[in-house]
Amino acid sequence: NAGVTQTPKFQVLKTGQSMTLQCAQDMNHNSMYWYRQDPGMGLRLIYYSASEGTTDKGEVPNGYNVSRLNKREFSLRLESAAPSQTSVYFCASSDSVYNSPLHFGNGTRLTVT
Amino acid sequence: SQKIEQNSEALNIQEGKTATLTCNYTNYSPAYLQWYRQDPGRGPVFLLLIRENEKEKRKERLKVTFDTTLKQSLFHITASQPADSATYLCASGGSGGYNKLIFGAGTRLAVHP
Repeated sequence: NAGVTQTPKFQVLKTGQSMTLQCAQDMNHNSMYWYRQDPGMGLRLIYYSASEGTTDKGEVPNGYNVSRLNKREFSLRLESAAPSQTSVYFCASSDSVYNSPLHFGNGTRLTVT
Repeated sequence: SQKIEQNSEALNIQEGKTATLTCNYTNYSPAYLQWYRQDPGRGPVFLLLIRENEKEKRKERLKVTFDTTLKQSLFHITASQPADSATYLCASGGSGGYNKLIFGAGTRLAVHP
């Protein structure tokens, strides 16, 4: 049982390049989330998907887009990477968008030069 | 704005003692709080959830309290072990139990033999 799987684990981009971070969960969860984690700061919500077919902005959505491809998969796209997007990105899922624990992947460490 | 604060200084304790971590929230009244453990290079792992109408929750050596008057949650690890060394994150849920969690920056715990 893999839980939440994120790819890639590491990525280096040049400013202006684009890329997609992939996330898949095998727990049949309805809700999925993308967070970023920066030193000295808490995890910040970028986008979430309460259920298949819906997506909504979180606290820091600028510069990102998401796609809920199906119930299992939720991808995060950076169209034109900027150094300020250097961070560790975590995908998470939960059974429900209410009162449910989050299950996290092990993150993608992204560096934008 | 809604804020969650955790002690940014690392907590160093001796094996066998009780570790107590603090989480304070301001400018809102969360419906619940969650605690997570994060090891270096890994995603957070859910530990406990406590609702606003619960004063205390326990799980094995872990205990969480929720004081809505003080706007504070305390997280206790009794009989601490070196394997408990990690960063512990507090997260609050929004009103109505909606899962757009606000995370604290975490407190690093080091348990020394």
